[in-house]
Amino acid sequence: GAVVSQHPSWVICKSGTSVKIECRSLDFQATTMFWYRQFPKQSLMLMATSNEGSKATYEQGVEKDKFLINHASLTLSTLTVTSAHPEDSSFYICIPGGRAEGGYTFGSGTRLTVV
Amino acid sequence: GDSVTQMEGPVTLSEEAFLTINCTYTATGYPSLFWYVQYPGEGLQLLLKATKADDKGSNKGFEATYRKETTSFHLEKGSVQVSDSAVYFCALSGGSGGSNYKLTFGKGTLLTVNP
Repeated sequence: GAVVSQHPSWVICKSGTSVKIECRSLDFQATTMFWYRQFPKQSLMLMATSNEGSKATYEQGVEKDKFLINHASLTLSTLTVTSAHPEDSSFYICIPGGRAEGGYTFGSGTRLTVV
Repeated sequence: GDSVTQMEGPVTLSEEAFLTINCTYTATGYPSLFWYVQYPGEGLQLLLKATKADDKGSNKGFEATYRKETTSFHLEKGSVQVSDSAVYFCALSGGSGGSNYKLTFGKGTLLTVNP
């Protein structure tokens, strides 16, 4: 159980374009989804928390107008990187919330490269 | 807030050597503790977990014991293999008692095992 599908798994885009990353919970309902990013050789850092039907909560230093998060249903959360720049190149991963004891099933992650 | 500190890498060992990767945490409440592994080019996978004090998590020859008195969750393996080469992340959730149990990660430790 607790299968999460994230796609695309990798994407290369031109600077200034937008990229949408989808995260779907396949066999459960995810009221909350955490979005993390991982720069090379660094740990995963929480970017934002999305809650179904309400506005996302962003961590300090994360631009909410640049990283648009939508959680319109209990099975789908999306992260859109708007006007991407090379410094946005990173590994983005979604993690459903509310599963402290059971461990977490991660999305497979999306490697974004902005050229 | 919650935090996780794990030993800095990289760690380089010969095959069949003993492995210890130290991890300590700071959290309020009673967090669950996890070790995740990230093989080259892949996403994170849960390696083992412990949900209460004195619990021992184990998997694939790896072990870690939840020590509340020392706030530690050190990862050990008696005999490493080349295939264990990866980045290992210590993480916790549920420490601050907040809803939905977001994960807080350590910075990761790169392990390289040579034949």
